[in-house]
Amino acid sequence: QSALTQPASVSGSPGQSITISCTGTSSDVGGYNYVSWYQQFPGKAPKLIIYEVTNRPSGVPDRFSGSKSGNTASLTISGLQAEDEADYYCTSYTRTIPYVFGSGTKVTVL
Amino acid sequence: EVQLVQSGAEVKKPGESLKISCKGSGYSFSNSWIGWVRQMPGKGLEWMGLVYPSDSDTRYSPSLQGQVTLSADESINTVYLQWSSLKASDTAMYYCGRIFHRSFDVWGQGTMVTVSS
Repeated sequence: QSALTQPASVSGSPGQSITISCTGTSSDVGGYNYVSWYQQFPGKAPKLIIYEVTNRPSGVPDRFSGSKSGNTASLTISGLQAEDEADYYCTSYTRTIPYVFGSGTKVTVL
Repeated sequence: EVQLVQSGAEVKKPGESLKISCKGSGYSFSNSWIGWVRQMPGKGLEWMGLVYPSDSDTRYSPSLQGQVTLSADESINTVYLQWSSLKASDTAMYYCGRIFHRSFDVWGQGTMVTVSS
């Protein structure tokens, strides 16, 4: 099972919106509504920010939102802030193994 | 507070064995899958496997099957990740995470394993 495909980097200015894509197959992203997203700062453990494609855990700002179309899931950060500069990973439940992570995206706030 | 606390950093030589732990508190530990995730230096997250504490049922990533062993001791709310013969390529940060709605909702702080001669 290959890793889900994410862009290596995405950047934006404060206040802008950015979107990170996460592309898989019909056996993972496209087959289940079990895509989740994680934020990771250097030297820290990942933190769950979206689960089941669109749901935000308590305490996660509503500028983080998730969606899915076909085999591609997306994380949108609206009103980008300097504190959002981090690495972001998607993951999906899969038919076989049963989880696969995305390759990761570095978000830079210009 | 739901928490996962992992054992401390380890420095080992190639060929040595190792067992690291992840202890849960603040929730019904027996009834939630725990997953393990590897992060090699400067690299991304890689799912390794799952263990269900109440019956020690396990699932492994095909790429790591046979390389590591997952286990659990329900009586002390602890799961384990172990190696029988470490390699330099096992050098990584290892995280445990609780599975909730098919996501990792609570994470341990990580255990750094360094394998070097």
